[in-house]
Amino acid sequence: ETGVTQTPRHLVMGMTNKKSLKCEQHLGHNAMYWYKQSAKKPLELMFVYNFKEQTENNSVPSRFSPECPNSSHLFLHLHTLQPEDSALYLCASSQDQGLSLGNTIYFGEGSWLTVV
Amino acid sequence: GIQVEQSPPDLILQEGANSTLRCNFSDSVNNLQWFHQNPWGQLINLFYIPSGTKQNGRLSATTVATERYSLLYISSSQTTDSGVYFCAVSGGGADGLTFGKGTHLIIQP
Repeated sequence: ETGVTQTPRHLVMGMTNKKSLKCEQHLGHNAMYWYKQSAKKPLELMFVYNFKEQTENNSVPSRFSPECPNSSHLFLHLHTLQPEDSALYLCASSQDQGLSLGNTIYFGEGSWLTVV
Repeated sequence: GIQVEQSPPDLILQEGANSTLRCNFSDSVNNLQWFHQNPWGQLINLFYIPSGTKQNGRLSATTVATERYSLLYISSSQTTDSGVYFCAVSGGGADGLTFGKGTHLIIQP
């Protein structure tokens, strides 16, 4: 257990569906992240939230919509996805966004998403 | 941004063998972490090591920041060590970690 919990662990959705991924951290951290891991590619940073404010959006298509209601919860809302969006989506957290200060980042178990 | 290269991409060893995984990065870093991803996708923190040497049981890591590389050593490999090992770095900017492509390690009984 890393203190970061993701649900659901597996999700299959059609291209016209709307679904959400949920992440909760029990570490008292202030920064939360969404990463995407596709086959044969490095992990890609999607979004960063620091103290509930979005501070980074790495050119992610609008069909992915993040929401951070508080420092402990992070959602990724999905709508009209494409088959190429099928991937492992990983949530992570750190004490704050300043990783240069020596903060360790902790990952959840990931949500395996398949778009059909 | 910072580029991270890991080698080798794939490694197959017999149980009991030792291995060295390498991570090269293109610029100075303030944060470097090694992770192990198990077959179920879970990323487990192994080391936070922007410089120096650390050891944890059969695993140890060394980062030579001035030469921009880090090494992960696994001794007396076990089948449970199988998985993908990632190196990830941060240069001090406002974004998260930048990951390498990983080393896929298979330990055969």
